[in-house]
Order: sequence, then structure tokens, then C-alpha cells
Amino acid sequence: DARVTQTPRHKVTEMGQEVTMRCQPILGHNTVFWYRQTMMQGLELLAYFRNRAPLDDSGMPKDRFSAEMPDATLATLKIQPSEPRDSAVYFCASGLVITGNTEAFFGQGTRLTVV
Amino acid sequence: GQNIDQPTEMTATEGAIVQINCTYQTSGFNGLFWYQQHAGEAPTFLSYNVLDGLEEKGRFSSFLSRSKGYSYLLLKELQMKDSASYLCAVQTDSWGKLQFGAGTQVVVTP
Repeated sequence: DARVTQTPRHKVTEMGQEVTMRCQPILGHNTVFWYRQTMMQGLELLAYFRNRAPLDDSGMPKDRFSAEMPDATLATLKIQPSEPRDSAVYFCASGLVITGNTEAFFGQGTRLTVV
Repeated sequence: GQNIDQPTEMTATEGAIVQINCTYQTSGFNGLFWYQQHAGEAPTFLSYNVLDGLEEKGRFSSFLSRSKGYSYLLLKELQMKDSASYLCAVQTDSWGKLQFGAGTQVVVTP
């Protein structure tokens, strides 16, 4: 049963602390996305990768957020320092893009609370 | 600017039909997706249109008119488990980048 796995599922941290969220995409998928979901803004794309190369991270606050893919089985999203406004659900999704269209498979998300 | 608009909430009775409309104005278009999201869960793929017309998939159908920037998702024979948020999303590049609408909360009543 192929699925996108995210850890941790929940994280509560104090303002100013570093937060690292991890994602294992579905084996064989060549595109990985990081989305953030809040009640006010809905689902927003933060960054995405194709074959591990960053394609677009314009949705991410660069001063505090960073996204990497150290290998094909791991994507990370880091926030340093974290702020209360970063509280949200962070979703990782992966897809196989061959002809220009892809169905994205979402992980269960990391619910982040910054106090 | 870029906009994807859909109603905030719709209520319907079990066994009925509900149509969720979505209008979009985006800088790129590589297809329109519908996702279902139950509370506290991840979005899951429902349907996809890249050409004009109707795509049918069991109880769910989706329609697209590219010239009008318009799509709808039709849910037939509603079941209680269909109570969820339905997200309209436009793929704006050729690598899968999705721009989402705010979602339509569908409430199915007995």
C-alpha cells in the first residue's frame, strides 16, 4: 500500500525553536510538494522538487523556511526560528509527472503549533 | 491576479445530488483537479479534467469549460460519508504545481 509518510504527525514548540518536518514520498514518484493549510489561507504551495531539484520555493518565507531533498526517499521542511503565525498543518505530497499532468498523493500532514 | 472561487458551504439531503461550481482565473492552465478532504485528514484525489467536457467516475462527475474558466463537481446519490470539504485546484505549470480554491464544505443531512 504505497503512501506518503510524514513525521511527526503533531508538533508543539515554543516560539524561536527550530522545527524539522520530514516526508517520505511514494517510491518512484519524481515530484515532491510542500503545502501549508490554515483556516484563513487554505492550502498554499510552499515549495516543490522534481527529481530532487528545487523547482519553485517562492511560496516560502526564505528568511526562516528551508526545504531540501537529501535523497530520493526523504524531503525535509525546516523552520528556524519558528513563530506563532507558522501554526498550521503542513502537507507533503508526491506525484509522478510524465506527460505534464499528475495526481498528487498527500501525506497525513504535520500539525504544528507554535506557542 | 489569480483567483479560484467556489462556494463556502452547501447542504443537501442523503440520496440527493449536489453540484459544486468553481470559477478560475490563473496565469497558467494544465488541468483542473477536484480533491476531497475530510476533517483532520489529507486531501484525496477525486477527478481531473484537462479537456472541455464531462468526466464521469461512479457517483462523481466533473465538467470543464476552459473558455469560460469554469468547472463543476457533481455528486450523485449523496451518502453521509460524502460530508467533507471539496477542493477545486488548477495545475498552473507542467510539473504539477497546484493552486487551490478555499474549498466547499458539503454537509449531508439524513
